[in-house]
Amino acid sequence: AQSVTQLDSQVPVFEEAPVELRCNYSSSVSVYLFWYVQYPNQGLQLLLKYLSGSTLVESINGFEAEFNKSQTSFHLRKPSVHISDTAEYFCAVRNTGFQKLVFGTGTRLLVSP
Amino acid sequence: DAGITQSPRHKVTETGTPVTLRCHQTENHRYMYWYRQDPGHGLRLIHYSYGVKDTDKGEVSDGYSVSRSKTEDFLLTLESATSSQTSVYFCAISEREGPDTQYFGPGTRLTVL
Repeated sequence: AQSVTQLDSQVPVFEEAPVELRCNYSSSVSVYLFWYVQYPNQGLQLLLKYLSGSTLVESINGFEAEFNKSQTSFHLRKPSVHISDTAEYFCAVRNTGFQKLVFGTGTRLLVSP
Repeated sequence: DAGITQSPRHKVTETGTPVTLRCHQTENHRYMYWYRQDPGHGLRLIHYSYGVKDTDKGEVSDGYSVSRSKTEDFLLTLESATSSQTSVYFCAISEREGPDTQYFGPGTRLTVL
């Protein structure tokens, strides 16, 4: 069965510093990959997704993620974070042909001044 | 934002009582999902629906039942609530099969005493 690993439960970083949130998944079959963000006391919002094509995908607020099939990874990066990026980030994977989305345990990004 | 509401938003109940959570959508999407979110576990799928009266189990379905009599409503029932079902419950919707995004509701915080 598909599983998703987010090794870092919490990542503290200073404002304007770069950040990488790691995500690895278990199955090498064809997959769709997603990053969701959850701000305090809110539901999850889609940040970006990889379906096919270019392995580098970007969000409108400066985040990007790269699909690496050989390493079964989909790490999330931002070159310069803001205080407002403080949130919990979830990586999710879905095998093509199936409806079920499998989530990682989440990484809490804490941005301080 | 996708038109998804959940009710109630907060509920405190006692062990052994029945509880029903409601998810309502105004997007006319075919697929609806119930997840629970717990620290250290991320989001886990409880049940999902692929049409009116068509439902299937997720990875943590024991102790839960669902019903979908209309496209817009998906009900989650805890027949006899237990303390292990204390959690935050999220409803999600998606429009079609394939690489479609799931959109999440605001969540219901359930406490079972």
